[in-house]
Amino acid sequence: AQKITQTQPGMFVQEKEAVTLDCTYDTSDQSYGLFWYKQPSSGEMIFLIYQGSYDEQNATEGRYSLNFQKARKSANLVISASQLGDSAMYFCAMREGRGRGSTLGRLYFGRGTQLTVWP
Amino acid sequence: DTEVTQTPKHLVMGMTNKKSLKCEQHMGHRAMYWYKQKAKKPPELMFVYSYEKLSINESVPSRFSPECPNSSLLNLHLHALQPEDSALYLCASSQDLRVTEAFFGQGTRLTVV
Repeated sequence: AQKITQTQPGMFVQEKEAVTLDCTYDTSDQSYGLFWYKQPSSGEMIFLIYQGSYDEQNATEGRYSLNFQKARKSANLVISASQLGDSAMYFCAMREGRGRGSTLGRLYFGRGTQLTVWP
Repeated sequence: DTEVTQTPKHLVMGMTNKKSLKCEQHMGHRAMYWYKQKAKKPPELMFVYSYEKLSINESVPSRFSPECPNSSLLNLHLHALQPEDSALYLCASSQDLRVTEAFFGQGTRLTVV
């Protein structure tokens, strides 16, 4: 089974509008972490935001916020006031557990969502 | 400073060549990673180092040989690669294996001819 599912291969949004990128995850661990990365065409993976499974508040970083719904196992990324420079591939990722031996350190990535911001 | 520096940015090599990719970070991170990424696909984990010791090898062919000479530096030695090994190779680092932030370098675009 996929550990991270991103169901939107592509999304389009007009400049200055908000957009939500969907991510659902699958784990039986109680302790885990969720990440969002942005990858422009240049290739660099840019860390955007992190949410720990025990964090009670939704994570926010500037225009990025993570809508964490634990019971639904979803971790959607909300980008407010989109800019042309936000056009990129966005990956959701998960790190499981804190004491699970060989899986420690491993990030599981979704297939990504290609976001296009138009003027 | 959240910079992970990878060199070279681009590399073209023949199937009989030996080359190395280099990755450096000065954030005091003790976990470092190599990922391989094909076009329009997510990154795939290759190797994980923790405190300069190999922690995870994702059954990577022996033509890829990682090395972690010190806590700031991670190398990937390449030998007798195949054209299907052409990809973007990404290095990442985190404080330790209990990852709450992982920073990636810009990657090396490798073409095997």
